[in-house]
Amino acid sequence: GAVVSQHPSWVICKSGTSVKIECRSLDFQATTMFWYRQFPKQSLMLMATSNEGSKATYEQGVEKDKFLINHASLTLSTLTVTSAHPEDSSFYICSARDRAEPYSNQPQHFGDGTRLSIL
Amino acid sequence: RKEVEQDPGPFNVPEGATVAFNCTYSNSASQSFFWYRQDCRKEPKLLMSVYSSGNEDGRFTAQLNRASQYISLLIRDSKLSDSATYLCVVNSGNNAGNMLTFGGGTRLMVKP
Repeated sequence: GAVVSQHPSWVICKSGTSVKIECRSLDFQATTMFWYRQFPKQSLMLMATSNEGSKATYEQGVEKDKFLINHASLTLSTLTVTSAHPEDSSFYICSARDRAEPYSNQPQHFGDGTRLSIL
Repeated sequence: RKEVEQDPGPFNVPEGATVAFNCTYSNSASQSFFWYRQDCRKEPKLLMSVYSSGNEDGRFTAQLNRASQYISLLIRDSKLSDSATYLCVVNSGNNAGNMLTFGGGTRLMVKP
């Protein structure tokens, strides 16, 4: 079945570092991918919708200059957390929709997530 | 008010018990509804879609009440492996929109 690969799984880095997270759809084309963030004991919160070949759509309260999204191909979206600080430490998850699948069967395929820890 | 609300729990139940989770959503235009399961430090995985007529998948039964904007999940004969956080998820746009809104999750702990 469709798989979404997310890399890296875990990142630990110093404050001020920029971190890039990749999200790939492995066997289907995804014109739209989604980026979520989940803090401990909280639910997934949509950060932005990534659109292939155009600008991402950010949710209210998410800084577009802080969280740079690039969706240059139909199988790859990247999220770059620029100048990361400890408050950016979180679990970042991407997802993608395979339009060949009935929506009720699988509305979105999720990546494994990236655990980001900023020291 | 949150768009999708769930009791965070935790629900601590013995093996073999029946447990029910509830969820309410605020957007009456919501069209698609799902229950996801999330294990600790893992991505959410689709458990089942929820239909107005109610649907069952083995030990799991989901129901939707559009008038009350209420969704439920019933788990019968609980197993240790059912321990996880259960997320109520709603799509408030058309299918092309694909945006999902997640509830805060209900944590279930099944004990021997």
